[in-house]
Amino acid sequence: SSELTQDPAVSVALGQTVRITCQGDSLRSSYASWYQQKPGQAPVLVFYGKNNRPSEIPDRFSGSSSGNTASLTITGAQAEDEADYYCNSRDSSGYNLVFGEGTKLTVL
Amino acid sequence: QVQLQESGPGLVKPSEILSLTCTVSGGSIGGYYWSWIRQPPGKGLEWLGYIYYTGRTNYNPSLKSRVTVSVDTSKNQFYLKLNSVTAADTAVYYCARDGIGNYGIGFDIWGQGTMVTVAS
Repeated sequence: SSELTQDPAVSVALGQTVRITCQGDSLRSSYASWYQQKPGQAPVLVFYGKNNRPSEIPDRFSGSSSGNTASLTITGAQAEDEADYYCNSRDSSGYNLVFGEGTKLTVL
Repeated sequence: QVQLQESGPGLVKPSEILSLTCTVSGGSIGGYYWSWIRQPPGKGLEWLGYIYYTGRTNYNPSLKSRVTVSVDTSKNQFYLKLNSVTAADTAVYYCARDGIGNYGIGFDIWGQGTMVTVAS
């Protein structure tokens, strides 16, 4: 099992807000990065660090962190946001990297 | 803009060595950390290891005895070698760029991925 824990699946109604979480002890000292992956495609970075969003990513994607939990929030989810989402951070040693198991987001 | 391209055999026999190359185009390999990441069919992402352009490396502890990542800055390429492969190593293998001067920042550029199947 991964050092970063994610819910396997989350659903959201079109236009509503959804939060995807990632839990792990290493998140108390390291920021998470978040990736969106659609079927047959490489992952895409959607949020990283304390408050960084790549320029090509819509501003409905935001991130936050508290204690051992990092969160990715999509405000006003769109049909095209339906995808798998992965968090990534350093592990408890601080030297290695680890991914969460992924969350499948369904937009209803 | 910077682009990454993985290349290598799509089929490897059990117990042999899986070797892949990642070619960096549109920018320099210098200054950044570079990682290999894989994804078995229908499963999640697994980080395999990173290399800094200076040659400094670190590997996933679960694979440390089998994986080697190296770099050739003159060719703007970095490489993956995975020894003693089994069917469990069948996956899409990605190369990706991490932060400048630090790792664990975020993989902002990914290759398209290359499927490697381990079978006789």
